[in-house]
Amino acid sequence: QKEVEQDPGPLSVPEGAIVSLNCTYSNSAFQYFMWYRQYSRKGPELLMYTYSSGNKEDGRFTAQVDKSSKYISLFIRDSQPSDSATYLCAMSANTGNQFYFGTGTSLTVIP
Amino acid sequence: SQTIHQWPATLVQPVGSPLSLECTVEGTSNPNLYWYRQAAGRGLQLLFYSVGIGQISSEVPQNLSASRPQDRQFILSSKKLLLSDSGFYLCAWSTGTGRFFGPGTRLTVL
Repeated sequence: QKEVEQDPGPLSVPEGAIVSLNCTYSNSAFQYFMWYRQYSRKGPELLMYTYSSGNKEDGRFTAQVDKSSKYISLFIRDSQPSDSATYLCAMSANTGNQFYFGTGTSLTVIP
Repeated sequence: SQTIHQWPATLVQPVGSPLSLECTVEGTSNPNLYWYRQAAGRGLQLLFYSVGIGQISSEVPQNLSASRPQDRQFILSSKKLLLSDSGFYLCAWSTGTGRFFGPGTRLTVL
């Protein structure tokens, strides 16, 4: 079983829709959870960083962590064509060197 | 603010040729540095990481090597490239509260 599972999509939504992106994981020791956005042919950009359980909101983006279900989500409200990218989840048990990345979900927001 | 640079941005090399990719970080001291490879549909694979000058840890045995000659410089090398070395190479640095990636180098080995 992979440490982190992420549906690769592709996901296609109309502009203005609410988008839900998800990852599941198997290691209950994970405490740090991140979401990255990667535009085509660019490096990943850190979008959201969450420690332990709960929600974190930043503008149109909300990151949610459910440690009991080993499930994390990223919600994008009022999605825009500029949100079209691949979104990767990442997580780790500590602030050391072992990060685990999902394979990414490709999102297209149609104008 | 911190900035991470990688060059070249794209590279096309024949099989068997050498490789040198460079990464530099500005605006921080003594960062942890990382080399990742991203292949289509396969996610990010950690290749090497370094916690200081001259300190390199290898995660995956392969024909690649890494060096850190200066605090904010990280180099990825190969003596002889293989077809399977093609991919998108990303340098990253970390403060412990996230990992920050450079713009990447797209390597095609023909």
